[in-house]
Amino acid sequence: ETGVTQTPRHLVMGMTNKKSLKCEQHLGHNAMYWYKQSAKKPLELMFVYNFKEQTENNSVPSRFSPECPNSSHLFLHLHTLQPEDSALYLCASSQGSGTRAYEQYFGPGTRLTVT
Amino acid sequence: AQKVTQAQTEISVVEKEDVTLDCVYETRDTTYYLFWYKQPPSGELVFLIRRNSFDEQNEISGRYSWNFQKSTSSFNFTITASQVVDSAVYFCALSEARGYSTLTFGKGTMLLVSP
Repeated sequence: ETGVTQTPRHLVMGMTNKKSLKCEQHLGHNAMYWYKQSAKKPLELMFVYNFKEQTENNSVPSRFSPECPNSSHLFLHLHTLQPEDSALYLCASSQGSGTRAYEQYFGPGTRLTVT
Repeated sequence: AQKVTQAQTEISVVEKEDVTLDCVYETRDTTYYLFWYKQPPSGELVFLIRRNSFDEQNEISGRYSWNFQKSTSSFNFTITASQVVDSAVYFCALSEARGYSTLTFGKGTMLLVSP
């Protein structure tokens, strides 16, 4: 199943680096999401884009900057990260309206390590 | 605020045993959606089921069944005749009904099925 793809799958970066995570969905959805999954913590919703408009920003530090150029692509730009930002970053998408808008489909994630 | 509690951190069973994963939720909304996701070691969250708050019918899909009880705010998941391939982390989640999905996840239950 390649409905939602994420690149890179693994990333190691220093605290002064700038990098970007990419997510692409091939499901015709209109909403896209970024989540952070740290060890021993629940999945945390970071950002939501619905029809390319950002509708949720759950108090995420400004060193994480999302970008949604169209309904199929979502980026997470990273700069001056901290070691505690090391985690699995998951992208998801859903239909933008209707009952199935509540079903999110996830990508495989990017395992980020900040050194 | 919404909350999802999965009290079982880890469950170990032997193949062919039945196992039930518990999920208790809190919400002030009258309309909401409940979900179960499976996360195998590969990391990708796999959508299993969505249940609407106004539909308390239980559902069965092959070896999987779900018991939704509004009176106790529970949405439990049973795997019948477990198999080694069922080994994964299972997440219960809740979404408000605001036109797009805003999933609140529990901490997950790790299921280990041994041969």
